[in-house]
Amino acid sequence: AQTVTQSQPEMSVQEAETVTLSCTYDTSESDYYLFWYKQPPSRQMILVIRQEAYKQQNATENRFSVNFQKAAKSFSLKISDSQLGDAAMYFCAKNTGNQFYFGTGTSLTVIP
Amino acid sequence: GAVVSQHPSWVICKSGTSVKIECRSLDFQATTMFWYRQFPKQSLMLMATSNEGSKATYEQGVEKDKFLINHASLTLSTLTVTSAHPEDSSFYICSATVVDNYGYTFGSGTRLTVV
Repeated sequence: AQTVTQSQPEMSVQEAETVTLSCTYDTSESDYYLFWYKQPPSRQMILVIRQEAYKQQNATENRFSVNFQKAAKSFSLKISDSQLGDAAMYFCAKNTGNQFYFGTGTSLTVIP
Repeated sequence: GAVVSQHPSWVICKSGTSVKIECRSLDFQATTMFWYRQFPKQSLMLMATSNEGSKATYEQGVEKDKFLINHASLTLSTLTVTSAHPEDSSFYICSATVVDNYGYTFGSGTRLTVV
């Protein structure tokens, strides 16, 4: 079964602090892609960061970085120096070929 | 970057009528597009995969006669909700695969309300 699990329905972080969102997945493939998408109140899905499974190096995009543990099938997102604009729903997703699987999402609140 | 335009952004229709939602890839060709449905505070649920020039592939439990998908060109896919009922009210999102597989590019979504 292809599943993506986000065990934290809601998270909060103080502005300027760091927060980590968890994601685990199930797969039988060795080659796939992992993504974190952000969905603000506008509901537009915005790509935050992606990771190719064959790459051991963790992806980084400015304040966003991932901790990819392939053997453990874990793909967490770390947001450093949190800003008010980071408040949104965050979805972890896995892509194999044309099939895309989303987690249930984590609602992130940023406290001023 | 790759942009997907979705129209309309919101629509209200009467029960029993049909509604068409358009999804266009503006600066790239999309041989495959995807249609999702999202209920409030829930994840995206894949409804169907739209393939240019061929029939769409529907996920289990999705009524193909109710949700008609047409992908007649490399830049346009449409979703028509036929004989809409209040339970069809939802947020519908389309997406397309960017050539280098840099994830999906999503449309801005359509909020459908059936009254």
